Amino acid sequence: AQSVTQLGSHVSVSEGALVLLRCNYSSSVPPYLFWYVQYPNQGLQLLLKYTTGATLVKGINGFEAEFKKSETSFHLTKPSAHMSDAAEYFCAVSYSSASKIIFGSGTRLSIRP
Amino acid sequence: GAGVSQSPSNKVTEKGKDVELRCDPISGHTALYWYRQSLGQGLEFLIYFQGNSAPDKSGLPSDRFSAERTGGSVSTLTIQRTQQEDSAVYLCASSSGTSGIILAQYFGPGTRLTVL
Repeated sequence: AQSVTQLGSHVSVSEGALVLLRCNYSSSVPPYLFWYVQYPNQGLQLLLKYTTGATLVKGINGFEAEFKKSETSFHLTKPSAHMSDAAEYFCAVSYSSASKIIFGSGTRLSIRP
Repeated sequence: GAGVSQSPSNKVTEKGKDVELRCDPISGHTALYWYRQSLGQGLEFLIYFQGNSAPDKSGLPSDRFSAERTGGSVSTLTIQRTQQEDSAVYLCASSSGTSGIILAQYFGPGTRLTVL
């Protein structure tokens, strides 16, 4: 079955430190990949997406992710964490245009002062 | 507004009652999706509309759940004879769904359903 795995349900980093949220997918066909963010008491917001072309994708708020087909990964990174980055992050995958999205279980990111 | 809107924002109901949840997608978006977010289950796909038809209903958990979309716009998710396990946040999303190009789904704020 096609699935998305996010390693670590909770990640805590210090302000200014590197943020790394891990995501792996299982698929035999090239997927479309997404990262969504959900701030407390708010809806899901698209952070970035990979469809085709360049495998390093830049998103909002300084986040970026790299599609590595050989590793079936799409890890999310940010060089320097801000307090405002505290939120839940969801990796997601889709396999055709206008198809449903399969979400990972989410990773809660906490930022230590 | 320009985004996806959902109503009501909160709904508290008694077990066994029927509820209707409404979604207004972004204008011009042909594809509409319903998801459910609950503790322990994460984000689950329920149903997908392209126009007024639903090519993928695979996520509806039981025959108590149904959804319709009229005029290629507004959608209603109906849950009959609600059960406590139906308590969750129900999210609606829309996308332009252009064939051959995957465009991201834009989510509404959700309806928090509590079944007592």
